[in-house]
Amino acid sequence: NAGVMQNPRHLVRRRGQEARLRCSPMKGHSHVYWYRQLPEEGLKFMVYLQKENIIDESGMPKERFSAEFPKEGPSILRIQQVVRGDSAAYFCASSLGPRDSHIRGYTFGSGTRLTVV
Amino acid sequence: AQSVTQLGSHVSVSEGALVLLRCNYSSSVPPYLFWYVQYPNQGLQLLLKYTSAATLVKGINGFEAEFKKSETSFHLTKPSAHMSDAAEYFCAVRNRDDKIIFGKGTRLHILP
Repeated sequence: NAGVMQNPRHLVRRRGQEARLRCSPMKGHSHVYWYRQLPEEGLKFMVYLQKENIIDESGMPKERFSAEFPKEGPSILRIQQVVRGDSAAYFCASSLGPRDSHIRGYTFGSGTRLTVV
Repeated sequence: AQSVTQLGSHVSVSEGALVLLRCNYSSSVPPYLFWYVQYPNQGLQLLLKYTSAATLVKGINGFEAEFKKSETSFHLTKPSAHMSDAAEYFCAVRNRDDKIIFGKGTRLHILP
């Protein structure tokens, strides 16, 4: 049973390009969470999704960032027109749902490290 | 709103010495608290969790944490540090909206 799979592990984009980060949750998990990690700042919540629904996007920047979790396929975090400040590690986590997450916590992927040059 | 504060962004201990990483929480309801560890260039791994069953929680790799309501604390300890414990440690709390909110992290350095 593979854990949470994120790809790519490393992504380099030039300013103005688009970045697409993928996350496949653990088998059976239907809840996905995206976090951004900047040095010395810990993990900041971005968005919480269920299949085909955005539950909470209060941590998403208002512009250029979007997320989806389609019925089939991985969850995608999309950053349009990237800027240097978007350089960070982006982590995805999954859970079975609210009742599971408070008992077991989340299962995290290994992250995608985005570098904008 | 629930939150956690980790005291000390960097902590250094000698190999074999006691490890103590501090975490204080803020919550208006009984909290669900977690400690995660992150090794370099990896994701986060759950060390242990408090879910109100017992105040002293034992986790993996010899770590444990004690929930103290009177002090609103959930400090992480390990009796004897090992070189392999060098990593970044995050205290976290689950809030009402099913989001897990993380502290800023404490980087643990082990001195030979």
